[in-house]
This record gives sequence, C-alpha cells and structure tokens, in this order.
Amino acid sequence: GAGVSQSPSNKVTEKGKDVELRCDPISGHTALYWYRQSLGQGLEFLIYFQGNSAPDKSGLPSDRFSAERTGGSVSTLTIQRTQQEDSAVYLCASSLAMLGLGGSPLHFGNGTRLTVT
Amino acid sequence: GQQVMQIPQYQHVQEGEDFTTYCNSSTTLSNIQWYKQRPGGHPVFLIQLVKSGEVKKQKRLTFQFGEAKKNSSLHITATQTTDVGTYFCALNSGGSNYKLTFGKGTLLTVNP
Repeated sequence: GAGVSQSPSNKVTEKGKDVELRCDPISGHTALYWYRQSLGQGLEFLIYFQGNSAPDKSGLPSDRFSAERTGGSVSTLTIQRTQQEDSAVYLCASSLAMLGLGGSPLHFGNGTRLTVT
Repeated sequence: GQQVMQIPQYQHVQEGEDFTTYCNSSTTLSNIQWYKQRPGGHPVFLIQLVKSGEVKKQKRLTFQFGEAKKNSSLHITATQTTDVGTYFCALNSGGSNYKLTFGKGTLLTVNP
C-alpha cells in the first residue's frame, strides 16, 4: 500500500511568511510524529499525535509552530513568521501503535525541505 | 529529559572491514530501535530490541541490547558499499512516554 506522503517536497519562502506542511500517514496508523532534521544533523522531535490529540507539544521550538490533525488522518504543521533558522527538512512519520506498548516502528515520509531566504 | 549519546559521529572504512556504532542512554529504556538513512533519503526502520541482553542478527548486521537496558550497539561485518548511510538509534523509555528520541547518528562511508 501507499506509504507516508508529505507535501510539498520542497518549499522556498521569504523570511516572515507563513508556511503549511502536510502529512498524509499510512491508512490505519493511529500515531503520527513530526521531526525536524537540519543538514547533517539528527532528528529533533517536534510533536506527536495519538488520533487527533497531541498530548505533548513541548518539542515545538516556539509559539510560531503549531500542528493539527483531523479525522485521525492528515496532519498539517504550520510555521508562522518564518525565520532563517527554521530552514530544515521536516519529516513526518506514522506508526500503528503508541510507543510503550511494545513499541512500533515508525514509517517516515520523504520529508519537506524548507528553505527560508 | 532523556539524553542519548551515539558514537562515533563519523566512520570511514574500506570495503570488507567491520563497523560498529554505539548508543548510550542516561535512563533505563523500554526498548530501542535502529534506523538507517541513505544519503538524500528518509530513515528506514531496521530493528527493535526489547529484552535485556538481547542479540538479533540480520545477515551481516548484529544488534545488541545491554544487560542494563541503557546501551545498544550495531555491528556490521564485512561492510559493502551498499551499507553507506547514517545509522540512528532511537530510544523509548516506555510507560506513558511516547517520545522516540533519536541519537545524532553515525555516518558510515565505505571506500570500494
């Protein structure tokens, strides 16, 4: 079946503009994660959804970042008033089950490469 | 918060040599996962370890979970050019902790 789909694949925006990144998880996956990866760096956890709820948003870097998930499926990550330090690859992943219950592998999308000029 | 250290940061080997990356946690883990990210690609799940002292093998890859469940290693025997990429460990403390915290990864390059 289809994997995790992210759009756009690339986004170039001017500093100060808002951007929306979209993630379409694997059908039936209840858990959805957003990570950020800067060039040559590891994965920085941003937020996690179980269904439509985001129990912990503490990974979001600032209040310019927000995310929502509707219908237990598609999620959008919104960055307001973008800054140059927001430039990175934003990765979305989904999994079948909530971690801690035996764990479940994450299936990643190809990411959105965001460049803020 | 949970701290994870992964070493080395980089490793360059000649094809046929062995490779090992280590992952250490500041807290006891529920489980640990390993991922591989090819250049330009996204992380792909390799394996999950759950039990203390667990050892799992996938062809030339050997994964080990420490007895205290605070560290893990990935060993590749006789590397091939197809092994090139960044290997990440990802930690979960279990319980109500849903976060999967990734190490910074080890970038492996292989000289043919």
